[in-house]
Amino acid sequence: DAKTTQPTSMDCAEGRAANLPCNHSTISGNEYVYWYRQIHSQGPQYIIHGLKNNETNEMASLIITEDRKSSTLILPHATLRDTAVYYCIVRYDNDYKLSFGAGTTVTVRA
Amino acid sequence: DAMVIQNPRYQVTQFGKPVTLSCSQTLNHNVMYWYQQKSSQAPKLLFHYYDKDFNNEADTPDNFQSRRPNTSFCFLDIRSPGLGDAAMYLCATSRIGIRTADQDTQYFGPGTRLTVL
Repeated sequence: DAKTTQPTSMDCAEGRAANLPCNHSTISGNEYVYWYRQIHSQGPQYIIHGLKNNETNEMASLIITEDRKSSTLILPHATLRDTAVYYCIVRYDNDYKLSFGAGTTVTVRA
Repeated sequence: DAMVIQNPRYQVTQFGKPVTLSCSQTLNHNVMYWYQQKSSQAPKLLFHYYDKDFNNEADTPDNFQSRRPNTSFCFLDIRSPGLGDAAMYLCATSRIGIRTADQDTQYFGPGTRLTVL
């Protein structure tokens, strides 16, 4: 699996958009970009995934660069409940495993 | 609501005393996973079941075993827990179809926090 690089931590103001970057410069053509988050003392929660095109769902938007070497997860209106560790994972479509990296600890402040 | 359930949420065991953690799911997913997450670390896959087929990760110690008696249930057995096995144990499920692109996301349970005394 391609390795991902994320900032260790970031702060965000409540009500503002949170933009979480992820570098995956060695990603291959059939690897998807997945985002999960883990709120303290809970199991990881799926947020969104994509291959080439930008994706949006009720939780977030995923912007993937044209060369697919990086992506950004956007939480449009961060709330205090969005405080969590956010994991960016690249994964082959036929690979069962989720290989978690260190993730980004996001703290949303009032 | 369909979900992944783990019992107990907190488990305390003694050094060397066998312990079993359980996971059940109402999603009817064909794949079940066990992850270990130590304090301040990312989750790490121990093994998974694809239907009845057991798939062990290469670096999972022999001390860890698993059973899946039916689609809904999966157990994690730690035969002789050591202090280093204290961690959060996460169960997850997914649905994987015949086509490689037919892969669902993984849904995680709340985890069982294991303390070894």
